[in-house]
Amino acid sequence: GDSVTQMEGPVTLSEEAFLTINCTYTATGYPSLFWYVQYPGEGLQLLLKATKADDKGSNKGFEATYRKETTSFHLEKGSVQVSDSAVYFCALVNQGGKLIFGQGTELSVKP
Amino acid sequence: EPEVTQTPSHQVTQMGQEVILRCVPISNHLYFYWYRQILGQKVEFLVSFYNNEISEKSEIFDDQFSVERPDGSNFTLKIRSTKLEDSAMYFCASRRGDRGLGTDTQYFGPGTRLTVL
Repeated sequence: GDSVTQMEGPVTLSEEAFLTINCTYTATGYPSLFWYVQYPGEGLQLLLKATKADDKGSNKGFEATYRKETTSFHLEKGSVQVSDSAVYFCALVNQGGKLIFGQGTELSVKP
Repeated sequence: EPEVTQTPSHQVTQMGQEVILRCVPISNHLYFYWYRQILGQKVEFLVSFYNNEISEKSEIFDDQFSVERPDGSNFTLKIRSTKLEDSAMYFCASRRGDRGLGTDTQYFGPGTRLTVL
């Protein structure tokens, strides 16, 4: 079945460091790919998405490119801030409509 | 901006009791979902609902679970006889789905933390 695998956390970075969180997927067909973020004590918020190969999703300085050849959707940010500390979830959805999530990667940014 | 709301934010119950978790999806959305997240684990799909019926459910969604859209705005998840392992954060989500795309964005509520003692 469809699945999503993310790099293990927690990831601890200093402010202004470069961030990469790896995400790979296995799916039939052509899924859409998402990154959701969960701030402490809150629900899931959509961060960015891409619906087809080579699309780049971007929001709040975060970017991810849908790479069909490597079945990946890695999340990147050039300069993280303390306020980016959260858990990040990679997810896919197929035509059936249900989201399939990775296990989540906790990011902690220190001043 | 429209948002999905959920009540209560935290529910504590005794094992074997029935609980009803409530959600108000975004008003022009057609598809509704429940997910759950056991502490420290991934978010898992429970059930999807469209046109007043379940369209898909996971293995987790057994006979103890049911969903309902009792009126034009609420979407509820009922657990008939709660077990300790039902303790989790439960998220409701909705999406428009009016363009025939299964892949449009799902918007999540803030969640209900269910604690079964």
